[in-house]
Amino acid sequence: DAGITQSPRHKVTETGTPVTLRCHQTENHRYMYWYRQDPGHGLRLIHYSYGVKDTDKGEVSDGYSVSRSKTEDFLLTLESATSSQTSVYFCAISEGAGLGNEQFFGPGTRLTVL
Amino acid sequence: SQQGEEDPQALSIQEGENATMNCSYKTSINNLQWYRQNSGRGLVHLILIRSNEREKHSGRLRVTLDTSKKSSSLLITASRAADTASYFCATDAKTSGSRLTFGEGTQLTVNP
Repeated sequence: DAGITQSPRHKVTETGTPVTLRCHQTENHRYMYWYRQDPGHGLRLIHYSYGVKDTDKGEVSDGYSVSRSKTEDFLLTLESATSSQTSVYFCAISEGAGLGNEQFFGPGTRLTVL
Repeated sequence: SQQGEEDPQALSIQEGENATMNCSYKTSINNLQWYRQNSGRGLVHLILIRSNEREKHSGRLRVTLDTSKKSSSLLITASRAADTASYFCATDAKTSGSRLTFGEGTQLTVNP
């Protein structure tokens, strides 16, 4: 988990409220990713970023938005949280394609939507 | 559907035994990676094997890749209780840029 932090680590919220999760890195890696992990589904990519202000959708992007205004920060926003978004969210970073693109993961955020 | 699928879903062995996990995938890849996840933690990268490689070693880990069968295996030799974790394969498809697609994982339990 070195060099990557996520905040908050745990959050309980109510249906319909907006929620923002933060990922912060100190590695100066170009790529950042948001995944969700659910039983029976493994890790699924929500959104990713390939540079400041450059983002793209993953396979489960509906209901989520992201922003990256600085290299070190990647924010994930649930615009109006639903119970189906209860999950563990992981941020990851990598140097990028052509450099092995192994990913380094943060410790995760456990989100519960009531 | 998942690009990578691990088999078995769960594996229970005794300390000292070898553990073998398999991964199958569907499209052409640049590389395949294996990760470990301890309970309640983030994933940790273990090893990467490129599409032009057939076998790779790292300590007690041995990874093989058969691109003709679109499959890979991870062997952990002389397992320890500390190896208890979930293991995931992740594929870097040729068309995916820097994105990885993860399988659902194999839960390995090593009994002391």
